[in-house]
Amino acid sequence: DVKVTQSSRYLVKRTGEKVFLECVQDMDHENMFWYRQDPGLGLRLIYFSYDVKMKEKGDIPEGYSVSREKKERFSLILESASTNQTSMYLCATTLAGTGRNEQFFGPGTRLTVL
Amino acid sequence: QQPVQSPQAVILREGEDAVINCSSSKALYSVHWYRQKHGEAPVFLMILLKGGEQKGHDKISASFNEKKQQSSLYLTASQLSYSGTYFCGTTVNAGNNRKLIWGLGTSLAVNP
Repeated sequence: DVKVTQSSRYLVKRTGEKVFLECVQDMDHENMFWYRQDPGLGLRLIYFSYDVKMKEKGDIPEGYSVSREKKERFSLILESASTNQTSMYLCATTLAGTGRNEQFFGPGTRLTVL
Repeated sequence: QQPVQSPQAVILREGEDAVINCSSSKALYSVHWYRQKHGEAPVFLMILLKGGEQKGHDKISASFNEKKQQSSLYLTASQLSYSGTYFCGTTVNAGNNRKLIWGLGTSLAVNP
């Protein structure tokens, strides 16, 4: 069974704080993704990584950065949290060849920025 | 480039059928279907790769038309457990398929 874990289910931070969200997978998947999900807006891709130390911007990268130092771990960083970054954050992984392989999602982190 | 899902929402009584569509203006390499229950992460249902393909398990099946521009998800004799939001995710070509492009989702509610 693929396991994708995220560091927190719920997180409350203050405006301006630096926030780290971590995702760990145990299935040796090449690709890892960070999405945010807001009502009515579906799944929006923030960043993804297809190899260690490799990253690509998704559709909404502004205000975020990522780090992938090890294959199993993909971190999302909010450099200076703002209230409009309050959202559900989902990490997902897949084998290389995203089109033909299912994505496995972590349980999500609900982040509130006050 | 974002696929269009229809309908946006549907309400069923237990035992009724539903069809959810996912359409693209371009030919697709693949279509994925996922279901997300409230407060949970999306869960994979199936992938379609070939034009004209049909797939299914239990009473949930999907098709991919010959032109590979539309996929439909069929829910037959719906159960309460089918409630949730259904998303399609698409890739446009085999050579550049590192990420999925998602539809906005279809909310399905099954009532007793």
